[in-house]
Amino acid sequence: QVTLRESGPALVKPTQTLTVTCTVSGFSLTTRGLCVNWIRQPPGKAPEWLARIDWDEDQYYNTSLRSRLTISRDTSKNQVVLRVTNMDPVDTGTYYCARAQLANYYYYMDVWGKGTTVTVSS
Amino acid sequence: NFMLTQPHSVSESPGKTVTISCTRSSGSIASNYVQWNKQRPGSSPTPVIYEYKERAAGVPDRFSGSIDSSSNSASLTISGLQIEDEADYYCQSYDSSNQNVIFGGGTRLTVL
Repeated sequence: QVTLRESGPALVKPTQTLTVTCTVSGFSLTTRGLCVNWIRQPPGKAPEWLARIDWDEDQYYNTSLRSRLTISRDTSKNQVVLRVTNMDPVDTGTYYCARAQLANYYYYMDVWGKGTTVTVSS
Repeated sequence: NFMLTQPHSVSESPGKTVTISCTRSSGSIASNYVQWNKQRPGSSPTPVIYEYKERAAGVPDRFSGSIDSSSNSASLTISGLQIEDEADYYCQSYDSSNQNVIFGGGTRLTVL
């Protein structure tokens, strides 16, 4: 069974760096055709895609947030980590990781974690 | 990046059929595959349709997806509406130039 579980601090102060971790099970981060995405969702709003790391470690970032984001992985721990620098109250929301697999023609997000809620406040 | 526009809300009675649209602001809707996700309050999104019309695992055939190049939009159609279909539905696609994933603003489906 494929599962993803997000973890991280519930509260961060403005200007601090957020580090959230996605621990996966039921699949390998190095399996060809798989990738892991980070998506966030402010309260009552639509999801916003943040970053992706592929099976071969290729990385892609939201161009609007690129300077603040770093995605990485630790295959020995089955974890994908996202760092977001210079946090602001507008970054408050639920942070999800989601696996995507190569379907017939392109990736589709087939399994999402339950999310971890992050509040930015002093 | 382009934008994906969805109606804010739709409502229909149990047993009826409803269609939710997702209109792309620039570039062709046929250029990049569209996925639809369902999200119930307090839960994470789950996939419903991918690659415009393919049903995700476990999704009943009451759910179908399509695209219409004339309106530059993708659509999710749910027939035989059930109470448990009530949720927020989000379309998503991607920008080929930078692989950024774009989400629509979401449509609240009420089954009353």
